Amino acid sequence: GAVVSQHPSRVICKSGTSVKIECRSLDFQATTMFWYRQFPKKSLMLMATSNEGSKATYEQGVEKDKFLINHASLTLSTLTVTSAHPEDSSFYICSARETHLASGRPREQFFGPGTRLTVL
Amino acid sequence: GENVEQHPSTLSVQEGDSAVIKCTYSDSASNYFPWYKQELGKRPQLIIDIRSNVGEKKDQRIAVTLNKTAKHFSLHITETQPEDSAVYFCAASTWFVNDMRFGAGTRLTVKP
Repeated sequence: GAVVSQHPSRVICKSGTSVKIECRSLDFQATTMFWYRQFPKKSLMLMATSNEGSKATYEQGVEKDKFLINHASLTLSTLTVTSAHPEDSSFYICSARETHLASGRPREQFFGPGTRLTVL
Repeated sequence: GENVEQHPSTLSVQEGDSAVIKCTYSDSASNYFPWYKQELGKRPQLIIDIRSNVGEKKDQRIAVTLNKTAKHFSLHITETQPEDSAVYFCAASTWFVNDMRFGAGTRLTVKP
């Protein structure tokens, strides 16, 4: 089945530093990837939609200068949390959709394992 | 935009009993409704989905029903087992647009 990886799985950083999280589709091409944030015991909140070769689409209330997204290839999207603060501590999950539906698979989103960010 | 509501937020059942989780959505254009299971510390995994051209779909102990007129869909788990314990999320989207929205989640606990 389709696999999405995320790196790192866990990161602890000091306030004011920037952190980059990578999301990769390992065995399929993904024109579109999604970045979610999940608070403890809460739902998945869509932050932005990452489109290969173009600018990301951010959800209302998400600061684009704070959460930089780059989708440079059909298998890689990165989320950079700039000047991180303790309130940015959260579980960040990416997901990817297959570009080509000729496989016959439903339009399923495949999730990465998530990255737990702790900002001290 | 789409708004998905999910109930209940927590559900506790005895092993062997059935569990039902319900979701409503607001956008009548939505036509794809997946259900995800997320175990503690793990990624969400698709367990079943339904498209708007069918009213019910079943896969072993799991079934999903859809009422497009009322804009609600439900997940049914029969003969529950302790390994069914997890958080379940419903979602709704249109087939071709990147607009999937998730419900708040239901924490299911199956007591042995």
